[in-house]
Amino acid sequence: SQQGEEDPQALSIQEGENATMNCSYKTSINNLQWYRQNSGRGLVHLILIRSNEREKHSGRLRVTLDTSKKSSSLLITASRAADTASYFCATASVRGNQGGKLIFGQGTELSVKP
Amino acid sequence: NAGVMQNPRHLVRRRGQEARLRCSPMKGHSHVYWYRQLPEEGLKFMVYLQKENIIDESGMPKERFSAEFPKEGPSILRIQQVVRGDSAAYFCAGTTSGNYNEQFFGPGTRLTVL
Repeated sequence: SQQGEEDPQALSIQEGENATMNCSYKTSINNLQWYRQNSGRGLVHLILIRSNEREKHSGRLRVTLDTSKKSSSLLITASRAADTASYFCATASVRGNQGGKLIFGQGTELSVKP
Repeated sequence: NAGVMQNPRHLVRRRGQEARLRCSPMKGHSHVYWYRQLPEEGLKFMVYLQKENIIDESGMPKERFSAEFPKEGPSILRIQQVVRGDSAAYFCAGTTSGNYNEQFFGPGTRLTVL
C-alpha cells in the first residue's frame, strides 16, 4: 500500500463538533502536509509539519506528528458546514526523492451537517 | 490557489487525439510538479521540472506522456493518442526552490476522453 493513508475514509459530524483525521505513512519523511479539496476543485494547502516538529496549530486546525509511529493527525475544532471537503495528507519522503515530490493518501471525506 | 493558472480547466478529447495541458506557476516559482487524480482517488505524482530541466519523471507513463517547462512560458503536459484511461484531473503545483517546501496548486484541468 502506498505512503500516506488516511482514516477514516469518510467522516460525518454535526456542526460544532470536532473532526479528527489520521494519516499513516511508511518511509522516513522530511515533512508531512495536509491539504483540503472541495468537490471538483483544486487543493488548498492547510499546514506543513516538519519531521522534527511534534505539533502545530493554525486557527482551528491542530496537527500532530509521531515519527516513531509514522503517523499524523489533523484535528478541526468547532467544525462548520463550510469545512465539508476531502482532506489529504501528503508526505515528502527522504529516500530516493529528488526535489520533494509529494505522496498523497486516498483522503478522508468530511461532511459537516448544519 | 490564486496565482497558479492552469488551462484549459476542462478538456474533451476523442480517443487518439492529443491533449495539451498548460500550467503557469506563481511569479518567482521556478519549480513545477504535475500530479494526476483519478476519480475517487488521491493525487499521484507524475513529473517534477525546473526551468528547462526534467528533474524527476518517475511517475510518468513510459509512452505517450511528455512534459516540459521552457525558459519562457508555461509548463506543458502533453498526452499523445489519448485513451479513455487518461480521463482524470491533472494538477500542477509550483514552489520556489523545490526540495520539501509547500507546494501551491492550480485549479486543475479535467480531461475527459470520449
